[in-house]
Amino acid sequence: GQNIDQPTEMTATEGAIVQINCTYQTSGFNGLFWYQQHAGEAPTFLSYNVLDGLEEKGRFSSFLSRSKGYSYLLLKELQMKDSASYLCAAWGNQAGTALIFGKGTTLSVSS
Amino acid sequence: DTGVSQDPRHKITKRGQNVTFRCDPISEHNRLYWYRQTLGQGPEFLTYFQNEAQLEKSRLLSDRFSAERPKGSFSTLEIQRTEQGDSAMYLCASSNYRGGNTEAFFGQGTRLTVV
Repeated sequence: GQNIDQPTEMTATEGAIVQINCTYQTSGFNGLFWYQQHAGEAPTFLSYNVLDGLEEKGRFSSFLSRSKGYSYLLLKELQMKDSASYLCAAWGNQAGTALIFGKGTTLSVSS
Repeated sequence: DTGVSQDPRHKITKRGQNVTFRCDPISEHNRLYWYRQTLGQGPEFLTYFQNEAQLEKSRLLSDRFSAERPKGSFSTLEIQRTEQGDSAMYLCASSNYRGGNTEAFFGQGTRLTVV
């Protein structure tokens, strides 16, 4: 089967660091994505991991462990504008037929 | 190219009516996906096309739903005999598949309200 799990909600304060975890089970594996979605808007691409390890992109980093079926998104120096839903997604099988999403983690950043 | 565009942005319809949504993908992208998203949930996959061929449909896609991509460019999603449970955001995404997967880019979505 295919399943992607992530926490429903997280809270943090401005300037802090937050880690959003994601575990996945897919019939094949062809990459793990993180998207950001503000309320009422479309998801926007943040990061893509296909090999194990940490990918850093400015304040955002994403980590992947294929053997553990685990990823996390690390957000540093949090800003109020980072309040959004963060979606973990993976292609459904080796052919990458469809991007399967988790339910999203709603992050609330307070001052 | 300004990205993936969807039309209309909002649609209110009465139960039992048919509705059709349009998606224009990024021009060089050969794959086009339709998703449905309800409040507090992640996008749920409905169907996808590679060029004009519809390659996969989710079990979520009932017989009332049909999608086309006749020339391998824009796509339409039609819902017949709408029900209140069809109220959701319908998202379209496109990607450029060349034997390896890249990220999918999303349109702004069409918010459907069935009254």
